[in-house]
Amino acid sequence: ETGVTQTPRHLVMGMTNKKSLKCEQHLGHNAMYWYKQSAKKPLELMFVYNFKEQTENNSVPSRFSPECPNSSHLFLHLHTLQPEDSALYLCASSTGTTGELFFGEGSRLTVL
Amino acid sequence: GQNIDQPTEMTATEGAIVQINCTYQTSGFNGLFWYQQHAGEAPTFLSYNVLDGLEEKGRFSSFLSRSKGYSYLLLKELQMKDSASYLCAAFSGGYNKLIFGAGTRLAVHP
Repeated sequence: ETGVTQTPRHLVMGMTNKKSLKCEQHLGHNAMYWYKQSAKKPLELMFVYNFKEQTENNSVPSRFSPECPNSSHLFLHLHTLQPEDSALYLCASSTGTTGELFFGEGSRLTVL
Repeated sequence: GQNIDQPTEMTATEGAIVQINCTYQTSGFNGLFWYQQHAGEAPTFLSYNVLDGLEEKGRFSSFLSRSKGYSYLLLKELQMKDSASYLCAAFSGGYNKLIFGAGTRLAVHP
């Protein structure tokens, strides 16, 4: 139990589908992150939210749309994805000051 | 630019010692993290070095040289459960984000 919960754990979708990934943290943190993890590649930072405000968009394609309604919840809305978007999507939270990230278990996405 | 380099794979024997190296080039560097990630699981925090030198925590130690842009993770008395990926990450405090290397997959054999 890491204090960061992601759902669903596994998702298979077609290129024309619309789906969402959900992340919830119970640690009282102020910063939340989406990372993409592909095989044999570094974790890629996608989005950063501090106090519900987006402070980083790392040149992510618009087919990925984040939403942060409050400091405890983070969503990643997906539409018209490509097969190369298949990856593990990790959510993380932090206090925003120390740098230490607390990760969720990840959502394994497969785009057909 | 920002770059983190670490070996892709390493193998070691149970009971032995292994050192995983990491070199980094980042702007606004504040410190160096090491995370452990077992297959299919979330990365978990191992260590954080801000100052130069060696930080020891049980069987695991981490070293940092800021002037050389270099860190290593030292694992002693290896156990089978240490088989995992080890992620090196540089913290840019000014940007409040971690930049990760690709990870080193360690396989521990009997």
